[in-house]
Amino acid sequence: DAGITQSPRHKVTETGTPVTLRCHQTENHRYMYWYRQDPGHGLRLIHYSYGVKDTDKGEVSDGYSVSRSKTEDFLLTLESATSSQTSVYFCAISQNRDSGDNEQFFGPGTRLTVL
Amino acid sequence: DAKTTQPTSMDCAEGRAANLPCNHSTISGNEYVYWYRQIHSQGPQYIIHGLKNNETNEMASLIITEDRKSSTLILPHATLRDTAVYYCIVMPNDYKLSFGAGTTVTVRA
Repeated sequence: DAGITQSPRHKVTETGTPVTLRCHQTENHRYMYWYRQDPGHGLRLIHYSYGVKDTDKGEVSDGYSVSRSKTEDFLLTLESATSSQTSVYFCAISQNRDSGDNEQFFGPGTRLTVL
Repeated sequence: DAKTTQPTSMDCAEGRAANLPCNHSTISGNEYVYWYRQIHSQGPQYIIHGLKNNETNEMASLIITEDRKSSTLILPHATLRDTAVYYCIVMPNDYKLSFGAGTTVTVRA
């Protein structure tokens, strides 16, 4: 299994509070991704990173920010959590980004509940 | 982006081959077909991908039709641990993955 860990694995928080999720990899892969998975919506990309300090928005980026100060760490921050951000969050990594060489390896996920 | 269509669910007997179909009739010439699966409560797992030639790895085989409008993932000897949701994806050129509903595969003893 790819060396990807996510922390915390479970979190319950209240509306309006800031939340930071961490993704840590030991594979030295250049690309890192944050997804959320919800019933009825499948898996959707929030943000991704193509290098240290290089990030870009995905499909559902509103209300989220990211930072990547080291190759191995990619942080996802909910500035002010809302109930609509209750979800399971997955981090993924890939070595390349070409269409034919973009195997993404996923972490175990973080289950976030916003009350 | 090319969309895919998969059956909602299918059953398979343990030890038998599982053949999972996927339609992707709007696929472009340079778009790859990827397969992932997700076992309950775990992160998605990459299985295999291909462009137009058939591909095989230690997990599965991927058969892509000559016109590339459909493909079949084959699990040669299904085990109970292969029970999962299987996702067929056409990798968009902007490499941003999104999964639909997939096929829920139940392997029965």
